[in-house]
Amino acid sequence: DGGITQSPKYLFRKEGQNVTLSCEQNLNHDAMYWYRQDPGQGLRLIYYSQIVNDFQKGDIAEGYSVSREKKESFPLTVTSAQKNPTAFYLCASRRGDAAYEQYFGPGTRLTVT
Amino acid sequence: GEDVEQSLFLSVREGDSSVINCTYTDSSSTYLYWYKQEPGAGLQLLTYIFSNMDMKQDQRLTVLLNKKDKHLSLRIADTQTGDSAIYFCAERNSGYSTLTFGKGTMLLVSP
Repeated sequence: DGGITQSPKYLFRKEGQNVTLSCEQNLNHDAMYWYRQDPGQGLRLIYYSQIVNDFQKGDIAEGYSVSREKKESFPLTVTSAQKNPTAFYLCASRRGDAAYEQYFGPGTRLTVT
Repeated sequence: GEDVEQSLFLSVREGDSSVINCTYTDSSSTYLYWYKQEPGAGLQLLTYIFSNMDMKQDQRLTVLLNKKDKHLSLRIADTQTGDSAIYFCAERNSGYSTLTFGKGTMLLVSP
């Protein structure tokens, strides 16, 4: 059963701690994306990767870091430098055809207190 | 830069048609998309349209594209309570492999 998994569904951390969000896909997609969603803000792109060992900053990369060591995996680390980390985080992957459709995981809700 | 605008809220009665509107600014957009998000879930791709098309129909969904006015709409026929969700319009950024999303339209369907 192909798809994108994100774990955990809910994550709680204390301010000042780094936290890593997991994203795995078995769709054999080359490109993967991380978005942040805040109420009334829509989706904002944090980082994306078009191929293994390569990634680019999105619109709001400050305070975040990523790695892409395997095609299937694109973990996102929310560092203590991110001023407002509490949000809903969505991972997506994209087929390689011309339509560029992105397919989304179920999301991780991060709460930092 | 690219920008995608949507109205924030739409309320309809079950059985009526719903029309969700979207405007975009990038005249060179090649693909435009509609996604659906239910509470606490990820986004589900509903449909997309290529910029050389005016209309695309898929069961209860009809997408209309007016390139001159940079206006995209999603019509849902015979709207059901299960259609209640947030609907996002997105455009593919020309020359890039990224999408720009609107802020979403919350559709509320009442019985």
